[in-house]
Amino acid sequence: DAGVTQSPTHLIKTRGQQVTLRCSPKSGHDTVSWYQQALGQGPQFIFQYYEEEERQRGNFPDRFSGHQFPNYSSELNVNALLLGDSALYLCASIGIGQQETQYFGPGTRLLVL
Amino acid sequence: AQKVTQAQTEISVVEKEDVTLDCVYETRDTTYYLFWYKQPPSGELVFLIRRNSFDEQNEISGRYSWNFQKSTSSFNFTITASQVVDSAVYFCALIDDRDDKIIFGKGTRLHILP
Repeated sequence: DAGVTQSPTHLIKTRGQQVTLRCSPKSGHDTVSWYQQALGQGPQFIFQYYEEEERQRGNFPDRFSGHQFPNYSSELNVNALLLGDSALYLCASIGIGQQETQYFGPGTRLLVL
Repeated sequence: AQKVTQAQTEISVVEKEDVTLDCVYETRDTTYYLFWYKQPPSGELVFLIRRNSFDEQNEISGRYSWNFQKSTSSFNFTITASQVVDSAVYFCALIDDRDDKIIFGKGTRLHILP
């Protein structure tokens, strides 16, 4: 049973560019949340997708957008990258009917130069 | 507002010592869930435990134990007979009944010295 997977593992971009990160949830999970973790900090909630719609959003600008596909996988897009967007981006999936416990993937480390 | 405070930024202990990681939370909801996650250097957050607000029973899992006290809004985590492999950053987290976003503390970096 595969856990949550994310790609790519590492990414280097320059300011102003756009990036797309991908997440495949754990088998049997239908909800995906995205988090940003800056160095030395706890993860911060970006948004959550369920039934291909954004269900909830944290305090992040519109430059951060997402998508969920019919197979429950998800993408996080960040436009007009800033140096401050450098972070570990974590995806978490939630089982059907198990809204409380979120299982995390290994993350994508994004460096913006 | 929801808040999770982990006052210990960094702890170092010698292997085989016991160590307790503190967590204090704030929420206005009566129904909420508390979590502990472990983050090794690889970066992946590993789920350790979930506790419901209506279940104050303490829990033990091997060398790990958790002490949940609603009266003091605390959910502390103790590692008994620590091992080098326990070295990681540990996060305490909270979800209340209003939404599904996890509120994390800032984490405690634990060093177990051989």
